[in-house]
Amino acid sequence: DQQVKQNSPSLSVQEGRISILNCDYTNSMFDYFLWYKKYPAEGPTFLISISSIKDKNEDGRFTVFLNKSAKHLSLHIVPSQPGDSAVYFCAATFFSSGSARQLTFGSGTQLTVLP
Amino acid sequence: GAVVSQHPSWVICKSGTSVKIECRSLDFQATTMFWYRQFPKQSLMLMATSNEGSKATYEQGVEKDKFLINHASLTLSTLTVTSAHPEDSSFYICSARDLASVSYEQYFGPGTRLTVT
Repeated sequence: DQQVKQNSPSLSVQEGRISILNCDYTNSMFDYFLWYKKYPAEGPTFLISISSIKDKNEDGRFTVFLNKSAKHLSLHIVPSQPGDSAVYFCAATFFSSGSARQLTFGSGTQLTVLP
Repeated sequence: GAVVSQHPSWVICKSGTSVKIECRSLDFQATTMFWYRQFPKQSLMLMATSNEGSKATYEQGVEKDKFLINHASLTLSTLTVTSAHPEDSSFYICSARDLASVSYEQYFGPGTRLTVT
């Protein structure tokens, strides 16, 4: 059972426009969400996160929105740049006694920013 | 800050041999490190959680006797793939969480490409 889903395997956007990457989750216990960016043959790089007590978090060109009632989060990149082309993973975590706050990852979305 | 290194970055070994992969947090301390495996065009699959000074916690379906994990210090965890077979060929990635951080970000190493021939 996939608890974190990224239904779009790929997304193409023109340089300078907005990129919107979506993520849905099913486990209502998740209380912290993260976005990572990954290039081929490299480890993921942390981008931005959001706690479930917030609905928006902004960091430069990156904004994450959380809609708890819909169990949906999105990552907005404005303006998109060719260097943003990568696979983007959303991840979620929750507190569980005895666990180490493991991350559950979505399947990723390949973003291609066209010059 | 928050740099995690992995060594080696790639390794080719023969079937039946063992391979050790090191994961180090370079500028922070980590009581907890995680080991993931990624198949082509797929998501990261958590294999095990490595706890400094205690036994690792393995995910369901991961053979603990095949994937030996040692977290001997606050900056080093090792994954040893024992008696490797071609089906163990994969991209192995470690991550670490900063002991001093109140947030839950994991910082990832660059990954190790293992090819078993």
